[in-house]
Amino acid sequence: DIQMTQSPSSLSASVGDRVTITCQASQDISNYLNWYQQKPGKAPKLLIYDASNLETGVPSRFSGSGSGTDFTFTISSLQPEDIATYYCQQYDNLGTFGGGTKVEIK
Amino acid sequence: QVQLVQSGAEVKKPGASVKVSCKASGYTFTSYGISWVRQAPGQGLEWMGWISAYNGNTNYAQKLQGRVTMTTDTSTSTAYMELRSLRSDDTAVYYCARDGHTVTTGNDYWGQGTLVTVSS
Repeated sequence: DIQMTQSPSSLSASVGDRVTITCQASQDISNYLNWYQQKPGKAPKLLIYDASNLETGVPSRFSGSGSGTDFTFTISSLQPEDIATYYCQQYDNLGTFGGGTKVEIK
Repeated sequence: QVQLVQSGAEVKKPGASVKVSCKASGYTFTSYGISWVRQAPGQGLEWMGWISAYNGNTNYAQKLQGRVTMTTDTSTSTAYMELRSLRSDDTAVYYCARDGHTVTTGNDYWGQGTLVTVSS
């Protein structure tokens, strides 16, 4: 099974800050990586697919990059509505999720 | 508009089985697949498996092999997930989500979730 290691597990940042989350795969997954946002009590929401493609309707302050084993998710200017837990997911071989990153406002 | 509507909450005893349904609307059911993802209380997301509504092919997470079965009824555009030999650590919210029709590729629409509680 492919393991996905996501870091940090939580972070606190101020409104307007740049926020970066990393995800490392245990083997090469090419660009077969998605990023999701989940708010409390809600289903996840797809933000980024194929490592770097923005899902329709998602604000441009969200972005993703990387390929192979190392991936990065960035919020260029943190907004209050971005408070959530973010997950990466590989789909090169089945569909493993990372452990999640809880983003809070400082 | 695309909608996935799941069946209601369930309470089961250890050793029992549960079957959760997911009724799709707003798109051509057989042009996509369905994934099932669960989330234990306060925990992260766990991918359970995928089924193609096109041809019924399935892929399951290794840890659930032998206990889980995913099916579809194309006449009613409904997907089902059955989990057997329930244990307390199967207590979770179970989500269905639209996926690719040949392999799992990610989930753009999700159901509202179904809470399954396993308790004696």
